[in-house]
Amino acid sequence: QVQLQESGPGLVKASQTLSLICTVSGGSISSGGYYWNWIRQHPGRGLEWIGYIYYSGTTYYNPSLKSRVSISLDTSKNQFSLNLSSVTAADTAVYFCARGCGADCSYGMDVWGQGTTVTVSS
Amino acid sequence: DIQMTQSPSSLSASVGDRVTITCRASQRISNYLNWYQQKPGKAPKLLIYAASSLQSGVPSRFSGSGSGTDFTLTISSLQPEDFATYYCQQSYSALTFGPGTKVDIK
Repeated sequence: QVQLQESGPGLVKASQTLSLICTVSGGSISSGGYYWNWIRQHPGRGLEWIGYIYYSGTTYYNPSLKSRVSISLDTSKNQFSLNLSSVTAADTAVYFCARGCGADCSYGMDVWGQGTTVTVSS
Repeated sequence: DIQMTQSPSSLSASVGDRVTITCRASQRISNYLNWYQQKPGKAPKLLIYAASSLQSGVPSRFSGSGSGTDFTLTISSLQPEDFATYYCQQSYSALTFGPGTKVDIK
């Protein structure tokens, strides 16, 4: 079965770029029909969708983060990645990657990574 | 942007109770509405997609209904493992989550 695993630095300095990788196992990231998402959860708060990348490379970002976000695919490694620039303390959160299905299942996210905590330090 | 609200924000219930959670969208979203369950320290789990379709492997005591702007998640008979926080999420325009409903033990 498909599994996702986030990896990356747990501590990032303010004003720098947060970079995370999601490694997909048990299935190909290039197989059609799936959207590869990043979501975050601030401490004790709800969920915030960051953006997704389709297997074709098409991206769609949360408008509130769009100016700072970039998501890319590395099909050779079966990974997708998140870059969030100019971070502040407000970007401290648990970051999840998740697989989303298409319109026929309302873009529901059916497989999630365990999440990784990122703290922005001053 | 489409805003999502949920009510109640929290509720206390007993095992065996019927529980209903409401989600409302700030504009019509057809049936582009999903429900998730999240337990502390864990990733969310997809329960319901497209407003009323049960995700594979999810117990049949969970059901969803609604279309347009108003949606509900119902747990027909609450089980001990159902104490968690529940989120709705729209995917009609970008993706946004509701603020969550925490279900705890009465």
